[in-house]
Amino acid sequence: GESVGLHLPTLSVQEGDNSIINCAYSNSASDYFIWYKQESGKGPQFIIDIRSNMDKRQGQRVTVLLNKTVKHLSLQIAATQPGDSAVYFCAENIGGKSTFGDGTTLTVKP
Amino acid sequence: GAVVSQHPSRVICKSGTSVKIECRSLDFQATTMFWYRQFPKKSLMLMATSNEGSKATYEQGVEKDKFLINHASLTLSTLTVTSAHPEDSSFYICSADDRGYGYTFGSGTRLTVV
Repeated sequence: GESVGLHLPTLSVQEGDNSIINCAYSNSASDYFIWYKQESGKGPQFIIDIRSNMDKRQGQRVTVLLNKTVKHLSLQIAATQPGDSAVYFCAENIGGKSTFGDGTTLTVKP
Repeated sequence: GAVVSQHPSRVICKSGTSVKIECRSLDFQATTMFWYRQFPKKSLMLMATSNEGSKATYEQGVEKDKFLINHASLTLSTLTVTSAHPEDSSFYICSADDRGYGYTFGSGTRLTVV
């Protein structure tokens, strides 16, 4: 069956460093992927998305990389700030239904 | 950008009562909305797909008679947890399809059944 998973449940980085959060997926038919950020007590917030016909997409301070060969997705956050501390979920979206990974908790140390 | 409003943000109810949660798309029409459930420190799990003007589509294992979904207009979907029990306590989140531009989530409703 399909599953979406994240490599590490927690990630701690120093303020100003770059962060890399990884995600593996198993459904090779997936064609749309999304990264979300969730702060405590709030709903998920869209960060960036990528379609399967791309291998890289950049936003403001964030970059998503997609490697379809190994079914791997990563989120890179440049110059990580304290406000980036949150749980990050990758999700594959098929027909509007999002299947979420387990989440990685990012902690930014001052 | 697109905004999805969810109400209430927190609710405490007694066991055996019913609770209604509203999900509204504020600046766009959404023919399809999605309801998710999230347990503490866990990921989101899709419960059902809410379709305007037709019956909701429930995921396997979700009791449709317990989690009633109504999508009566293009901007409003409601989830009613009927005869709530403590094990229904959870964080419920909706999302809506923003005209193909993406999927916007509400801020969630924390339900506590006592």
